[in-house]
Amino acid sequence: DIQMTQSPSTLSASVGDRVTITCRASQSISKWLAWYQQIPGKAPKLLIYQASTLESGVPPRFSGSGSGTEFTLTISSLRPLDAAVYFCQQYNTNSLLTFGGGTKVEI
Amino acid sequence: QLQLQESGPGLVEPSETLSLTCTVSGGSVTTKSYFWVWIRQSPGKGLEWIGTASYGKSNNYNPSVKDRVTIFIDTSKNQFSLSLRFVTVADTAMYYCARGNSGASGVFFNSWGQGTLVTVS
Repeated sequence: DIQMTQSPSTLSASVGDRVTITCRASQSISKWLAWYQQIPGKAPKLLIYQASTLESGVPPRFSGSGSGTEFTLTISSLRPLDAAVYFCQQYNTNSLLTFGGGTKVEI
Repeated sequence: QLQLQESGPGLVEPSETLSLTCTVSGGSVTTKSYFWVWIRQSPGKGLEWIGTASYGKSNNYNPSVKDRVTIFIDTSKNQFSLSLRFVTVADTAMYYCARGNSGASGVFFNSWGQGTLVTVS
């Protein structure tokens, strides 16, 4: 199984801050990583796939980078509506798709 | 625009079968490039992939539930369904249906239903 580990688990920042969330895979997943945002009470929403490709309609203040085992999600200038839990997900193999434990971003 | 809507009982007794349906609108379940997925989230916990189906292809299931789960595509109703047998309290969760796109050998999820809470009690 490929384990996905996110850090930090909780992050407190201010409006306008640059925020970075890290996701590490237990083995190489090349570029097959997605990031999701989950606002409380809502379903997750795809932000980024293939490690760095922005989903249509997602604001450009969100960006992703990395390959292999280490990935980052960056919010360049934090806004109040970015308060949410962010999850990474590996899709290197179809036999077991796995998510990270989540990072809660508090404003 | 694709929309997904889960439906089914909100309460299931232990040892019974959990059955949910996802109705797809704005797209077809027979589109071979798409995958139809069930994901769950236990209260206050993370996300767990349950399984994936795609029209004309073999299904894939999470090994943790593989012996108890079936995902079925109903082309006549443009729906797909989840059947999870012999449920326990550990199966209590918010259940989401989603549509997946493929990359490499796996799938990421670009459209989600709003979710439906299922309690096993």
